[in-house]
Amino acid sequence: AQTVTQSQPEMSVQEAETVTLSCTYDTSESDYYLFWYKQPPSRQMILVIRQEAYKQQNATENRFSVNFQKAAKSFSLKISDSQLGDAAMYFCAYRSAYDNDMRFGAGTRLTVKP
Amino acid sequence: NAGVTQTPKFQVLKTGQSMTLQCAQDMNHNSMYWYRQDPGMGLRLIYYSASEGTTDKGEVPNGYNVSRLNKREFSLRLESAAPSQTSVYFCASSHGQPGTGGVSEKLFFGSGTQLSVL
Repeated sequence: AQTVTQSQPEMSVQEAETVTLSCTYDTSESDYYLFWYKQPPSRQMILVIRQEAYKQQNATENRFSVNFQKAAKSFSLKISDSQLGDAAMYFCAYRSAYDNDMRFGAGTRLTVKP
Repeated sequence: NAGVTQTPKFQVLKTGQSMTLQCAQDMNHNSMYWYRQDPGMGLRLIYYSASEGTTDKGEVPNGYNVSRLNKREFSLRLESAAPSQTSVYFCASSHGQPGTGGVSEKLFFGSGTQLSVL
């Protein structure tokens, strides 16, 4: 079964600075999708960014970008110009193109310091 | 836009009691899911339904049953609650179905149910 590993239980960043959250995954499949979800204290799961494995170009959404290294099975999230509202739990997730199970990492709690 | 609606938001049960968590989506999605979230473990799939009338086990199905009542609704039942089932439960939905390939499918989540079993 696929596994997703987030090795940083907690991270902190100064407001306006840049932070990178790490994620690695294990799979034997070639067609899959990767996601970063944000969970603020409200508990709502919010999609931040997603990446199709067949695309070489790294996905970008405003201040959020990923560094997708398929051979290394690495999918890190970079948050630029961090804002107080970015403080949340961040979950990395993997989904095969051929089954229904989205696998989540254990999460990284991000603190943003003013 | 309602999206995915879960009820109740909070529940306290005694060991051995039963209850049903309700979930409904208004996005005409085919697939629906139940996850549980525990500290340090992320979200784990309990059951899913790829389409109306079908359900399948996920990673942690023991102690749970589900019903896909219609396309909109997907309920999760605990027949005899145990303290190990204390968790936050999330319902989610997505448009696509597995095996279609080439389709990037994100999940839409409800706001969660905090369940405590004493």
